[in-house]
Amino acid sequence: QVQLVQSGAVVVKPGASVKVSCKISGYTLTELSIHWVRQAPGKGLEWMGGFDPGYDETFYAQKFQGRVTITEDTSTDTAYMELSRLRSEDTAVYYCATGGVVVPAPHFYGMGVWGPGTTVAVSS
Amino acid sequence: QSVLTQPPSASGTPGQRVTISCSGSSSNIGSNAVNWYRQLPGTAPKVLIYSNSQRPSGVPDRFSGSKSGTSASLAISGLQSEDEADYYCAAWDDSLNGFVFGTGTKVTGL
Repeated sequence: QVQLVQSGAVVVKPGASVKVSCKISGYTLTELSIHWVRQAPGKGLEWMGGFDPGYDETFYAQKFQGRVTITEDTSTDTAYMELSRLRSEDTAVYYCATGGVVVPAPHFYGMGVWGPGTTVAVSS
Repeated sequence: QSVLTQPPSASGTPGQRVTISCSGSSSNIGSNAVNWYRQLPGTAPKVLIYSNSQRPSGVPDRFSGSKSGTSASLAISGLQSEDEADYYCAAWDDSLNGFVFGTGTKVTGL
């Protein structure tokens, strides 16, 4: 059974960067596609990007191109999402989610198991 | 800005059948698999349907999904109180080269 454990809530200042981690257990990162999705307060789900090990490619939503970086450390089975030049509109819950367990692995099949989310508040 | 359009709300009495639609285009629903997610207040989304109509282990068979052309739908047969939640459709978009979510539908019981 795969489990995703995310880093804790943070408060960051406008203009700064934040790096959220997602530790996988029960599977290895090389078996999974990893997605990052965020949800602003009272709003819907918004896909930010994802990595597909089968295609060895990282995909980013156009909205976040140049501001988001998704990386992985296969030695610790931990995925990371870093968002830079933060502004108040980036205040949201950030989720990591996998494909390859409940749903098929390739990135275009989407997400089957979700982490609990990490709250990022951007405030001066 | 969501690419997939859902009705903002849906409702039904306990035991009633509720259907949620998801409208897209040829670059997303028309050419890729659709997933459906349920999100209870304050919790992470959970997949209900993947690959248009497949239910993961543990999801009750009263949840069913279908797709036709550039639209998809989720049906909840026998609405229960615990089904009151937000529901989202999602699909890969070949033009955007990224994943897109629906606008979300809040299901409430009458």
